[in-house]
Amino acid sequence: DIQMTQSPSSLSASVGDRVTITCRASQSISRYLNWFQQKPGKAPKLLIYAASGLQSGVPSRFSGSGSGTDFTLTISSLQPDDFATYYCQQSYSPTGRTFGGGTKVEIK
Amino acid sequence: EVQLVESGGNLVQPGGSLRLSCAASGFTFSSYEMNWVRQAPGKGLEWISYISGSGTVVDYADSVKGRFTISRDNAKNSLSLQMNSLRAEDTALYYCAREMAEWPNAFDIWGQGTMVTVSS
Repeated sequence: DIQMTQSPSSLSASVGDRVTITCRASQSISRYLNWFQQKPGKAPKLLIYAASGLQSGVPSRFSGSGSGTDFTLTISSLQPDDFATYYCQQSYSPTGRTFGGGTKVEIK
Repeated sequence: EVQLVESGGNLVQPGGSLRLSCAASGFTFSSYEMNWVRQAPGKGLEWISYISGSGTVVDYADSVKGRFTISRDNAKNSLSLQMNSLRAEDTALYYCAREMAEWPNAFDIWGQGTMVTVSS
């Protein structure tokens, strides 16, 4: 099974900060990497697909990069609505779409 | 509107059974692969099961293999998860999620979740 490791597990940041979250796969997954945002009491929301594709309706301050085993989600200027937990997920396996452990972004 | 609505969650005793349903609307259900994902209280997301559009290919996480069965009824636009031999560690919010029709098969539509509590 492909394991996904996110870092950090949590971070504190201020509105306007640039925030970077990393995700590492236990084997190469090409660009089969997706990012989700989840707010308390809500279902996850797809932000980025295929490592860098911006899902429709998602603000352009969100961006993704990487390929192979190392990936990054960047929020260029953190907004109040962005305080949430972020998950990466690999879709390389035909089945078994494992998630990372999550990164909670909190207000400093 | 594209929508998924789960139902069937409940309080059940260890060793018991429960059947979850997910009603799809607003899209051609049979054209999409579907998944179940769960989230234990205060924990992260765990993928647990997959089914192809035709229903002929299924897969499960090791944590539920042999106990859970995924199925779908394309005529009724419905996805199901039959859960048997339930354990305390199965307590979670269960989501159904649609896969994008094309690469890279990200989960683009999610339901609101249905809560399963396994406790005596």
